[in-house]
Amino acid sequence: AQSVSQHNHHVILSEAASLELGCNYSYGGTVNLFWYVQYPGQHLQLLLKYFSGDPLVKGIKGFEAEFIKSKFSFNLRKPSVQWSDTAEYFCAVNAPGANNLFFGTGTRLTVIP
Amino acid sequence: GAGVSQSPSNKVTEKGKDVELRCDPISGHTALYWYRQSLGQGLEFLIYFQGNSAPDKSGLPSDRFSAERTGGSVSTLTIQRTQQEDSAVYLCASSLGWATNEKLFFGSGTQLSVL
Repeated sequence: AQSVSQHNHHVILSEAASLELGCNYSYGGTVNLFWYVQYPGQHLQLLLKYFSGDPLVKGIKGFEAEFIKSKFSFNLRKPSVQWSDTAEYFCAVNAPGANNLFFGTGTRLTVIP
Repeated sequence: GAGVSQSPSNKVTEKGKDVELRCDPISGHTALYWYRQSLGQGLEFLIYFQGNSAPDKSGLPSDRFSAERTGGSVSTLTIQRTQQEDSAVYLCASSLGWATNEKLFFGSGTQLSVL
């Protein structure tokens, strides 16, 4: 069975600090990987996704994520966070063509101005 | 509408009562998903509809839960004889195509509280 682990439950950073949120999954086959974000009072929305090709994926608002197959990881990074990045971040994974998207428990990011 | 619409936004009910939650997906989206988010938990997959195909009900936690999608558009999630552990945010999402490599568009959810 697939599962997704996000070990950081709440991360607090000052503006301009660098960010890395961990995501590990357990699935032996080919996977599609996603990061979704939920800003306060808003809907969940897609931040970035990986299907194949370059394991370093660029998303919106300066975010990127790197797929490391040997580590079953898909960590989210941003070199310099802003107050507006305060949100909850969810990692998700599924097998290609599968109906179910497995989500992690989420990481709440608070950026202090 | 422009996005996925869910109603009601909040629902408070007494244990043992039935509830219906509604989802209006984005027009033209053939795939529709229901997820549940409990406090401190990730999003838990409940059910998936794709066009006229039989739904994938593999995530429904018990036979008290059911869902239907009429005319390939609006969906209703019904919880019978609600229990306190059913309290959660119920999220609906839709996507343009059938595969989950499509971007999901989420609604704002229904906060269900069972007293």
